[in-house]
Amino acid sequence: DGGITQSPKYLFRKEGQNVTLSCEQNLNHDAMYWYRQDPGQGLRLIYYSQIVNDFQKGDIAEGYSVSREKKESFPLTVTSAQKNPTAFYLCASSIRLAGEGTGELFFGEGSRLTVL
Amino acid sequence: GENVEQHPSTLSVQEGDSAVIKCTYSDSASNYFPWYKQELGKGPQLIIDIRSNVGEKKDQRIAVTLNKTAKHFSLHITETQPEDSAVYFCAAPANGGSQGNLIFGKGTKLSVKP
Repeated sequence: DGGITQSPKYLFRKEGQNVTLSCEQNLNHDAMYWYRQDPGQGLRLIYYSQIVNDFQKGDIAEGYSVSREKKESFPLTVTSAQKNPTAFYLCASSIRLAGEGTGELFFGEGSRLTVL
Repeated sequence: GENVEQHPSTLSVQEGDSAVIKCTYSDSASNYFPWYKQELGKGPQLIIDIRSNVGEKKDQRIAVTLNKTAKHFSLHITETQPEDSAVYFCAAPANGGSQGNLIFGKGTKLSVKP
């Protein structure tokens, strides 16, 4: 089946450790995104990528890094510089950029990160 | 940049009643307004969207209305069912669409009581 796969679903990390969340899509979409979801805060954009080897910071990029070496993959690294990393992380993709009006976002099922 | 506000944050209705969720936006250049539904433990899913050249769009029990002058748009769900219980998010393009991503509202948790 076509879709977005995020892994792991649950992740625990000690303070000071970096952690990488995986996101893979087989929809042949050009654009990919990472959102952070906190209770009562909606979805906040961390990074997005329009094309391979290119990505842009979103509203809350500090303490995060990404790469886009392959069209299908857009991993997110939560670094030790992220002061409050405990959250639910959602990856999404779209045929083209979502703000252009035709780029429906297809979301994965999310990864819940807990910092101990 | 765009700012999207969504109300109410929680909404409880009886099965069969209607539910209305409202959003306001700040950038008059915005031209695309989607609504996403997030069921428990899943990622959000697009349920309906509207472009700024129309005032209303319907799809079975759901509809979206847009008032460009007042810069607000609303989601209407009629004949609600327990499976409509979820968190609903509205969104608008960042920077009128030139930036290429969406700004989301903070969400409305809808509970439909049988």
